[in-house]
Amino acid sequence: DTGVSQNPRHKITKRGQNVTFRCDPISEHNRLYWYRQTLGQGPEFLTYFQNEAQLEKSRLLSDRFSAERPKGSFSTLEIQRTEQGDSAMYLCASSLGTQPEAFFGQGTRLTVV
Amino acid sequence: QKEVEQNSGPLSVPEGAIASLNCTYSDRGSQSFFWYRQYSGKSPELIMSIYSNGDKEDGRFTAQLNKASQYVSLLIRDSQPSDSATYLCAVNRGAQKLVFGQGTRLTINP
Repeated sequence: DTGVSQNPRHKITKRGQNVTFRCDPISEHNRLYWYRQTLGQGPEFLTYFQNEAQLEKSRLLSDRFSAERPKGSFSTLEIQRTEQGDSAMYLCASSLGTQPEAFFGQGTRLTVV
Repeated sequence: QKEVEQNSGPLSVPEGAIASLNCTYSDRGSQSFFWYRQYSGKSPELIMSIYSNGDKEDGRFTAQLNKASQYVSLLIRDSQPSDSATYLCAVNRGAQKLVFGQGTRLTINP
C-alpha cells in the first residue's frame, strides 16, 4: 500500500492522559499536513511540514498540541492533558510540493472519556 | 462569512439523475479548487481538481469553476447509490493548505 498511513485508527483515552498519533506519508511527498475534523464539519487545518521544517501552525493548535517530523519522513502529533473537546478525527495528508493535490490517510479517531 | 460555504443538505437525488453540488468561496486570489468525497466514518478521497474557469470532466463527474462569481460546482451524472456520501469542497490557500466547506451530504435513492 503506497498511500498515506495513520496509526492507530482508533484511540480511546481518559481525560488528562497524553496521546500520540503517527502518520507515514506517500514516500516521495515532501509536504505533510495535519487536520482535525469534528462531526458534521469539514476538516480544519492544524499544521504542516515541508521536509522536517514545521512551516505553519493554526491558531487551533493550542500549546497542548505538538507535532514533529524529525527526518522529513513520518510525523507524530502529540496531545498532552487531553480534554473532551479534543475528541475528533485527526487526519494526515501529504503532497508533492510541485503538484497541487493533497491525499489523506485513513485518519485516527480520538475519543476522550 | 466563512471562507468556503456549502449547503449542508441533505441532498436527495433519484438513481440515474444528475446530482448538482455547489460551493462558494470568499478569497478572490484562490487558484486551486478540489472536491473530496467522504463516506461515513472514512477519510476524504480526492475526486476532482480544477484550476481554470470552465468545465473539467472525468467520467461521470464534471467540475465547474467561475472565478468571477467565486463559485465551484460538481455535477455527478447517472447517479448511483454508491455515490451517497458527503462531498467536501476545498480551496488551496497556499502550499496546498486546504480550507474546506462543511460538506454536502448526498443521498442517491434507488
